[in-house]
Amino acid sequence: GAVVSQHPSRVICKSGTSVKIECRSLDFQATTMFWYRQFPKQSLMLMATSNEGSKATYEQGVEKDKFLINHASLTLSTLTVTSAHPEDSSFYICSASALRNRGYTFGSGTRLTVV
Amino acid sequence: RKEVEQDPGPFNVPEGATVAFNCTYSNSASQSFFWYRQDCRKEPKLLMSVYSSGNEDGRFTAQLNRASQYISLLIRDSKLSDSATYLCVVNTNAGKSTFGDGTTLTVKP
Repeated sequence: GAVVSQHPSRVICKSGTSVKIECRSLDFQATTMFWYRQFPKQSLMLMATSNEGSKATYEQGVEKDKFLINHASLTLSTLTVTSAHPEDSSFYICSASALRNRGYTFGSGTRLTVV
Repeated sequence: RKEVEQDPGPFNVPEGATVAFNCTYSNSASQSFFWYRQDCRKEPKLLMSVYSSGNEDGRFTAQLNRASQYISLLIRDSKLSDSATYLCVVNTNAGKSTFGDGTTLTVKP
């Protein structure tokens, strides 16, 4: 089945630093990947849609200059949290679909803690 | 009103019980529907797609009612390992997924 690999699984960083999260589709090509954020006891909230070879589409309220997305190949999308602050601490998850309308496969998630 | 709404939890049931979750969606243009399972501090995993004709996978049955804009998930003969949060997911034709807040199920011995 479709496998999405996400790295790192856990990161602790200092306020003001930047953190890069990678999302790879291992056995399929993904022209579109999605980035979500989940705060404790809340649902997943779509942050942005990552499109291979073009600019990402951000959801309302998500700062594109703070959450930089690069989708340079059909198997890799990266999310960089720039100048991280404690309120950015969250669970970030990416997803991609090998087949349209067949559900999405999620990466294992990255738990970011900003101290 | 949220785009996708689920039954408020938590559901606490004994082993062997049958439990049902409902989920309503507001976007009539929604194209595809799924149930995901999420264990604590883990990523969501696809449990099953939901088709108009209804579909069954072992102890799990999913149904879709487009006219009333709701989907359901029925779990029969609950196991301890079924304890998790169940997420209703609705996709538009553009591929955008909207998640419900999830329903927490705890199956007790």
